[in-house]
Amino acid sequence: EVQLLESGGGLVQPGGSLGLSCSASGFPFSSYAMSWVRQAPGKGLEWVSSVSITGGSTYYADSVKGRFAISRDNSRNTLYLQMNSLRAEDTAVYYCAKWGISARFLDYWGQGTLVTVSS
Amino acid sequence: DIVLTQSPATLSLSPGERATLSCRASQSVSSYLAWYQQKPGQAPRLLIYDASHRATGIPARFSGSGSGTDFTLTISSLEPEDFAVYYCQQRSNWLLLTFGGGTKVEIK
Repeated sequence: EVQLLESGGGLVQPGGSLGLSCSASGFPFSSYAMSWVRQAPGKGLEWVSSVSITGGSTYYADSVKGRFAISRDNSRNTLYLQMNSLRAEDTAVYYCAKWGISARFLDYWGQGTLVTVSS
Repeated sequence: DIVLTQSPATLSLSPGERATLSCRASQSVSSYLAWYQQKPGQAPRLLIYDASHRATGIPARFSGSGSGTDFTLTISSLEPEDFAVYYCQQRSNWLLLTFGGGTKVEIK
């Protein structure tokens, strides 16, 4: 059974930093691209970032480019998101998600971790 | 950038009725479109991929159609557990994703 478990969310002040982790199990983690998707309270889904199988290629939404960094450790089956210079508009539930084998859709999602940026 | 526009924003229907949800892309996405269901307090769940293929474990009452710029998600007969928000999604270059704004299917 595929499981994705996010951790690291919490309350942070504007301008602060926070690191999220996603622990994966139930599938060969090193064989699949991974992404982070967020959802602000009462809003829709927003793609944040993706990382390739090896971690060598990373992609970011314009809204987080230069502030967030995605990475992965295939030896630990873990995905990461380092978030710097946080803003109030970054407040959201952050979901870790696995890409399907064809890399055209996200076939499994974690339950999410809430990040609140507020003073 | 490709924009996905979903309509209607809200669909008010009764259990047993047919639901038809639309997703329109600002330019062709071939058949590379997916649909997700999200219930309150839960993560999204993949329903349909590549426009018309049901994901594992998805009931046959869910079907997807379309190609190019116009896509449809149909729920043939609404069950109580189907009242939720539905999102379409496309993959543009490489691993970049775009989601539509969502359609809420609510009980009439």
